[in-house]
Amino acid sequence: AIQLTQSPSSLSASVGDSVTITCRASQGISISLAWYQQKSGKAPELLIYAASSLQSGVPSRFSGSGSGTDFTLTISSLQPEDSATYYCQQFGDYPRTFGQGTKVEIK
Amino acid sequence: QVQLQQWGAGLLKPSETLSLTCVFSGGSFSTFYWSWIRQPPGRGLEWIGEIHHSGSINYNPLLNGRVTISVDRAKNQFSLNLTSVTAADTALYFCARGLRSGWSYAGYWGQGSLVTVSS
Repeated sequence: AIQLTQSPSSLSASVGDSVTITCRASQGISISLAWYQQKSGKAPELLIYAASSLQSGVPSRFSGSGSGTDFTLTISSLQPEDSATYYCQQFGDYPRTFGQGTKVEIK
Repeated sequence: QVQLQQWGAGLLKPSETLSLTCVFSGGSFSTFYWSWIRQPPGRGLEWIGEIHHSGSINYNPLLNGRVTISVDRAKNQFSLNLTSVTAADTALYFCARGLRSGWSYAGYWGQGSLVTVSS
């Protein structure tokens, strides 16, 4: 199975900061990667698909990039409502796998 | 508007079978991928499996053949069965639908069902 390693596992940043989360795949997956945001106890919400495509309704401060094995999720100007855990998921092969998550806290 | 509503037994004893159902509205079953994902308490997301309208099904091998996903097109619903449950299967279970026709990206999610396995 393809392993996804996210870093950091957690971060704390101030409102207005730019934050970047990375996701590294154990083998190449082209651009077959999605990013989700999950708030406590709720269903995840799709933010980014196909590595860099912004899901409808998601604020433009969220962006994704990368291909192959290295991917990033960037929040350009952190807002209080962005406090959540973020997961990457690969669709390059079965079984689909998730990264372990990155918890983002607001200072 | 696509909506997924899920239900099923919330408390099971070890060795019993977990059964969850997800009913969808606002679209058809055809051409989409339908998935089950779970999240143990305090932990990350785990992909369980998915079914495509064509009948193609894929499961997570880590579940050792205990999983069955099926669909009832007439009722606009799909189901998850997980046999021989243990405490390790205690989790919040989610159903999801692919974002667009032929895509697995989980764009629509159910509200989640908490399943606890305890003797």
